[in-house]
Amino acid sequence: NAGVTQTPKFQVLKTGQSMTLQCAQDMNHNSMYWYRQDPGMGLRLIYYSASEGTTDKGEVPNGYNVSRLNKREFSLRLESAAPSQTSVYFCASSGKEFAVINQPQHFGDGTRLSIL
Amino acid sequence: SQQGEEDPQALSIQEGENATMNCSYKTSINNLQWYRQNSGRGLVHLILIRSNEREKHSGRLRVTLDTSKKSSSLLITASRAADTASYFCATVPVGSGAGSYQLTFGKGTKLSVIP
Repeated sequence: NAGVTQTPKFQVLKTGQSMTLQCAQDMNHNSMYWYRQDPGMGLRLIYYSASEGTTDKGEVPNGYNVSRLNKREFSLRLESAAPSQTSVYFCASSGKEFAVINQPQHFGDGTRLSIL
Repeated sequence: SQQGEEDPQALSIQEGENATMNCSYKTSINNLQWYRQNSGRGLVHLILIRSNEREKHSGRLRVTLDTSKKSSSLLITASRAADTASYFCATVPVGSGAGSYQLTFGKGTKLSVIP
């Protein structure tokens, strides 16, 4: 029962470097999400994908891009990393039944990203 | 923007005691969810309460929802050391797009249960 798998678990980057965070789910969920969590804050939504082939901006999308590669995989890319993007990034998925609103989200264990 | 705000920010209790956490939110919701996060781990869904429900139970957890006050509470009875974690409420606002449910999280309550 893998659930939501994120890779890598830890990463250190230099300012200006690029990186892709990977996320895969094996629960046949339709929707996938990327969040960031900063100290003392709740999670903030970066981007989401309602279904395969669609992506939309969340609350804090600047500096990020996403790709919904297939139903299982949703990646997050930092094109030119900045120290303000130092955070813990969580991927989540939900929705076996399309367009059913009362469903929980299932989270991975996060990627801890430091940008120097 | 933060929709839910938990209270208190931190709570320390003895094992066996009950723990109560509160959540207030600002706009009308479809549902409210509670999640637990253990240190260094992802969030785990605990319970979902719909806007037309007032109370819900799951094991030692009891959640209430008062839509007139835009507030919810999470009660953990007979707490255990293993309940030590951060607890977050999250809301799905009315008007969330079909097929995708943007959860808006609060900042969380950090619960410490002392053995």
